[in-house]
Amino acid sequence: QVTLRESGPALVKSTQTLTLTCSFSGFSLSTAGMSVSWIRQPPGRALEWVALIDWDDDKYYSTSLKTRLTISKDTPKNQVVLTMTDMDPVDTATYFCARLRGDYESDAFDVWGPGTKVTVSS
Amino acid sequence: SSELTQDPAVSVALGQTVRITCQGDTLRNYYASWYQQKPGQAPLLVIYNRNNRPSGIPDRFSASRSGNTASLTITATQAEDEGDYYCNSRVSSGNRWVFGGGTKLTVL
Repeated sequence: QVTLRESGPALVKSTQTLTLTCSFSGFSLSTAGMSVSWIRQPPGRALEWVALIDWDDDKYYSTSLKTRLTISKDTPKNQVVLTMTDMDPVDTATYFCARLRGDYESDAFDVWGPGTKVTVSS
Repeated sequence: SSELTQDPAVSVALGQTVRITCQGDTLRNYYASWYQQKPGQAPLLVIYNRNNRPSGIPDRFSASRSGNTASLTITATQAEDEGDYYCNSRVSSGNRWVFGGGTKLTVL
């Protein structure tokens, strides 16, 4: 059974750095084709893709956020870590991690964590 | 364009068929996946790999694509199908992903 779970602070202050951890089980990021992504959702708004790391340690970032983001993986621990610098109240959102599966022209986020709510205070 | 456009809201009578659409140039190159989200919950994948359903998703959910438009069709819609639906695909540059703005489905 594949599961993912996000963890991190519920509250951060403006200009601080946010560090979130995605802990997963049921698959390994050492397996070819596996990827884990971060996706966020501000209150009452749509999903927004944030970042992704794959089994080959390739990293991809949202164009609008890339200067503030770092994604990394700890394969033996089955964890993916996202850091986001210079937090602002507009970054208040629920942050999800999800596994990406599929082929290049038709992939999907097939399993999601429950999400972790992050509030940024000014 | 890297955007995916969805109608903000759609309603359907109980037991009827509804189609939710998603438009974007990237859909000419990549297939959309579809997610259902209920309040306070994480999104749930309902369609992947062109028109496949994960285990546990009823066969009343199906998908198609024509040109730059992807569609999710729900036949014999049930009350439990109410929720927000999001489409998602890669961006045309290949190594970024985008979600549509979401469609709120109301079952009357």
